[in-house]
Amino acid sequence: AQTVTQSQPEMSVQEAETVTLSCTYDTSESDYYLFWYKQPPSRQMILVIRQEAYKQQNATENRFSVNFQKAAKSFSLKISDSQLGDAAMYFCAYRSPQGGSEKLVFGKGTKLTVNP
Amino acid sequence: DTGVSQDPRHKITKRGQNVTFRCDPISEHNRLYWYRQTLGQGPEFLTYFQNEAQLEKSRLLSDRFSAERPKGSFSTLEIQRTEQGDSAMYLCASSLASWETQYFGPGTRLLVL
Repeated sequence: AQTVTQSQPEMSVQEAETVTLSCTYDTSESDYYLFWYKQPPSRQMILVIRQEAYKQQNATENRFSVNFQKAAKSFSLKISDSQLGDAAMYFCAYRSPQGGSEKLVFGKGTKLTVNP
Repeated sequence: DTGVSQDPRHKITKRGQNVTFRCDPISEHNRLYWYRQTLGQGPEFLTYFQNEAQLEKSRLLSDRFSAERPKGSFSTLEIQRTEQGDSAMYLCASSLASWETQYFGPGTRLLVL
């Protein structure tokens, strides 16, 4: 079964600084999708960024970028110029289209604190 | 375009009671997903629908749980004979297609006393 591991339960960063959140996953599939979701204190999950495994280029969305290392099964999220509004739980998630399953498999999350 | 909505947002019930939650997906999204999130954990998949067909169910979905999406629009999740271990946030998500992003609702927080 696929698993997603986030080894940092909590992280903190100073406003305007850069922080990297780690995620590793275990799979035997070659084709899959990876996601980072943000869950602010209001609890609604919001997609931050997604990566298709077949794409070698790392995805970027404004201040958010990923470092996707397929061979190492690593998918880290870099937040540049951190803002107070970035404070939230961040979840890494995996989905494989194989076998018709559409479920997302989530890690346990990393709580990010942004200090002013 | 409104997002995914869920009702109620909070539910407190006594052990042994039945509860029902509703999820309204983003319009035109034919896929609807249910997840459960306990404190300190990431969401765990429960089940999903493509239109009105329930195509996948997790082992977490015990016999006390049932989900429906009768007309391919909104969905309900019912828990019968609730137990304290059912206390969790129940999240609904929808997507336009299998390869598209799943968009989440605000969740229903259930507390079983």
